[in-house]
Amino acid sequence: AQSVSQHNHHVILSEAASLELGCNYSYGGTVNLFWYVQYPGQHLQLLLKYFSGDPLVKGIKGFEAEFIKSKFSFNLRKPSVQWSDTAEYFCAVNPPDSGGGADGLTFGKGTHLIIQP
Amino acid sequence: KAGVTQTPRYLIKTRGQQVTLSCSPISGHRSVSWYQQTPGQGLQFLFEYFSETQRNKGNFPGRFSGRQFSNSRSEMNVSTLELGDSALYLCASSLARRSYEQYFGPGTRLTVT
Repeated sequence: AQSVSQHNHHVILSEAASLELGCNYSYGGTVNLFWYVQYPGQHLQLLLKYFSGDPLVKGIKGFEAEFIKSKFSFNLRKPSVQWSDTAEYFCAVNPPDSGGGADGLTFGKGTHLIIQP
Repeated sequence: KAGVTQTPRYLIKTRGQQVTLSCSPISGHRSVSWYQQTPGQGLQFLFEYFSETQRNKGNFPGRFSGRQFSNSRSEMNVSTLELGDSALYLCASSLARRSYEQYFGPGTRLTVT
């Protein structure tokens, strides 16, 4: 079964700082990769996704992530964070539909990001 | 297009009771998945329904069950509630099976006393 590890559980940054949140997964085959965000009091929203192709993917609100297959990583980045980026960020993986035995999305434990004004 | 809706939003039950939660997917979405979110365990996959059939199930006891109706709406049921079942239960819908991104509802906050 696949697993996802997010290295930083709590991150505190000042506005305009650069952000990188780590995500590593363990799975022997091809995977689909996702970053979800949960703003305070709101439901989970898809930030960006990677299925195939260009390993550098761009999402909403200026976020991007890079898939590095050799490192089993899918780190999230943003060049300059804003106070409104304060939220919980989740990395998730699932294998492409193989017709059975699938386990749904496997999530990391999340990173609580606080942006100080 | 309306998002995923879940009812009720909040629920308080006592140990030993059973509970049914409801999820209406985005119009046109045929796959519904359920997740449990707790501070200790994070987000864990419960099960997925597609075309009224359970396709996958996570590592949860048989007290957790679900079903999907012909209009793709889904319900999940937890019988003989335990204190540890207190959690946010999230429903997610997608157009097809898991290879597509999932859209999450606001969740049902279940408190077991």
